[in-house]
Formats: sequence, C-alpha cells, structure tokens
Amino acid sequence: NAGVTQTPKFQVLKTGQSMTLQCAQDMNHEYMSWYRQDPGMGLRLIHYSVGAGITDQGEVPNGYNVSRSTTEDFPLRLLSAAPSQTSVYFCASTRRPGLGYNEQFFGPGTRLTVL
Amino acid sequence: AQSVTQLDSHVSVSEGTPVLLRCNYSSSYSPSLFWYVQHPNKGLQLLLKYTSAATLVKGINGFEAEFKKSETSFHLTKPSAHMSDAAEYFCVVSVNNAGNMLTFGGGTRLMVKP
Repeated sequence: NAGVTQTPKFQVLKTGQSMTLQCAQDMNHEYMSWYRQDPGMGLRLIHYSVGAGITDQGEVPNGYNVSRSTTEDFPLRLLSAAPSQTSVYFCASTRRPGLGYNEQFFGPGTRLTVL
Repeated sequence: AQSVTQLDSHVSVSEGTPVLLRCNYSSSYSPSLFWYVQHPNKGLQLLLKYTSAATLVKGINGFEAEFKKSETSFHLTKPSAHMSDAAEYFCVVSVNNAGNMLTFGGGTRLMVKP
C-alpha cells in the first residue's frame, strides 16, 4: 500500500491564481481531512469528509473548497490564492470508527508559497 | 471545546539524558490524547495514544506518556535521548471518537546535543 499520497510536494503561486492540491489514499478509509501547518500553531483542520459525497468545514475553511467524489480522492482547491495561504498542507485519512480510536494516517505534505 | 497547550516551544537536551516534553489539555469530556512526531521535511508519525485505558502509555522508540486527569497533563518522556530523536513533537487531542477531527498543540522542537 502506498498509504496517503499528496501532489505536488512543492508549489509556488502568485496572488490570485488558483490550484488544486491532490490527495489520495489506497487504504479504503472513509474519513479524510485536510490540515495546514503554520509555525507555532501546530496543524489546523481546514475541511474533512466522512465519506464520498459528504464534506464539512473545519477550523479554518475560508479560501478553500473540497469535494469527495470517490472514496480514494480528496482534492483541496484554492480558488484565488492569497499570501496568507502560504503554509504546509497535510492530508490525512482514517477508517470509519469502530471500537475505540482510529489512528489518522498523514501524507507527506505539500509546501505552498503564495507570492 | 478542546484545546492543547505545549508549554515549551523548544527543548534542548544532551544525548543520553532524559527527555521531558510538557503538554496540558482542556476538554469538556474524557479526551483521547496523542503524541505525534515530525522529522524535518517529513509527515507526521503517531508516537503513542491514550484512549481511557491505562494511564501510562508506552509508545515507539522508547517514549512514554502519563495521563494525569487531576493535573490535565499528558507529558511525554524518554529516559535517554538519542540523536535521532531530534524532531518536532505535537500533543494532540481528538474532538471525537472517530479520530478525524484533531486539535494540535503548537509543537515542541526537540534538539539533541552530542
């Protein structure tokens, strides 16, 4: 299994440009999430999905859109990039909860710079 | 609401000496707590987790943490630091049992001197 994969690894955008960060998992996990990591603030939840066709907002959703058309993929879209969106983005997945806590598996991250 | 405070943004130890990374949490119900480690330019790896079983939790690479409800703490310790332990460590609380909504502390960067 490849686990959680993210592309691209690095990206530089100009203010106002749009782009999509890709995330895929091959573990048949139903739950997927997007986080951003900023210095001194840990990771903050942007959007999450509990299954195909179902998404919801996290702590910092403004400026980002998501969709979940398949179980495997959970892309994150920036419609009009702003310098405040310069960050490292992590995608994570976990299976549907059963008994006890389910570990989240994280992708390697995408480092985004907005000029 | 749940929150996590990591009391030190940077910790420096010498190789072979003990490690203590401090974490306090706030939760309106019995929390699930975790420590994740992030090595430079890498993703996050789960070190250990507390989910209301034993209060002393053992993790990978010799790390352990003790859940103390009276002190609302979940400090991470290791008896003897190794150079490979140099990384950033995150204390995390789960908002729900599903585990898909995590609240992270600000992180503690551990430096290990030879």
